Amino acid sequence: ILNVEQSPQSLHVQEGDSTNFTCSFPSSNFYALHWYRWETAKSPEALFVMTLNGDEKKKGRISATLNTKEGYSYLYIKGSQPEDSATYLCACNSGNTPLVFGKGTRLSVIA
Amino acid sequence: DVKVTQSSRYLVKRTGEKVFLECVQDMDHENMFWYRQDPGLGLRLIYFSYDVKMKEKGDIPEGYSVSREKKERFSLILESASTNQTSMYLCASIPDRNYGYTFGSGTRLTVV
Repeated sequence: ILNVEQSPQSLHVQEGDSTNFTCSFPSSNFYALHWYRWETAKSPEALFVMTLNGDEKKKGRISATLNTKEGYSYLYIKGSQPEDSATYLCACNSGNTPLVFGKGTRLSVIA
Repeated sequence: DVKVTQSSRYLVKRTGEKVFLECVQDMDHENMFWYRQDPGLGLRLIYFSYDVKMKEKGDIPEGYSVSREKKERFSLILESASTNQTSMYLCASIPDRNYGYTFGSGTRLTVV
């Protein structure tokens, strides 16, 4: 079973602060890295799917980078807003296997 | 938008009951998955299916089975519910492995 680690476990930031979290995964047999946002009482929502080393993706104020050689990805949120409060999940797979998820980073943005 | 529908949002069942959790997707996706989410443990894979009639065990299949008689429907079955199966159950689907998962809204099952 792949081991996907996320840090920190939880985070509290002030509105307007920028923040970032880390996801680490085994670099061997890597296929893809996914980031999801999971708001309370909603379904997890896909943010990014990344496959190539050095990949950078952006959606509004949220961006992500991928380093497959060293086995890590960063998720950045610029100018955090209260609506960014959610649990951010990282997941990866190898070959055609289903995703293995990390335990998530719980972000609270304080107005 | 792709929609993944789980039949029940909340469910309370008694120990020993046979429980069916239904999941239906409306976009002809080949691949479907069942995960459970527990505090401090993250999402864990129970079963998955890459085609009709096909099923594969995930990381924690014990006490569960699945059925995929039609492409759009993937059912999770708890053969004899136990209290340690109290959890949030999430169904997901994708057309192929290059896409992000689309999740259902989840079923919070309580076994008493």
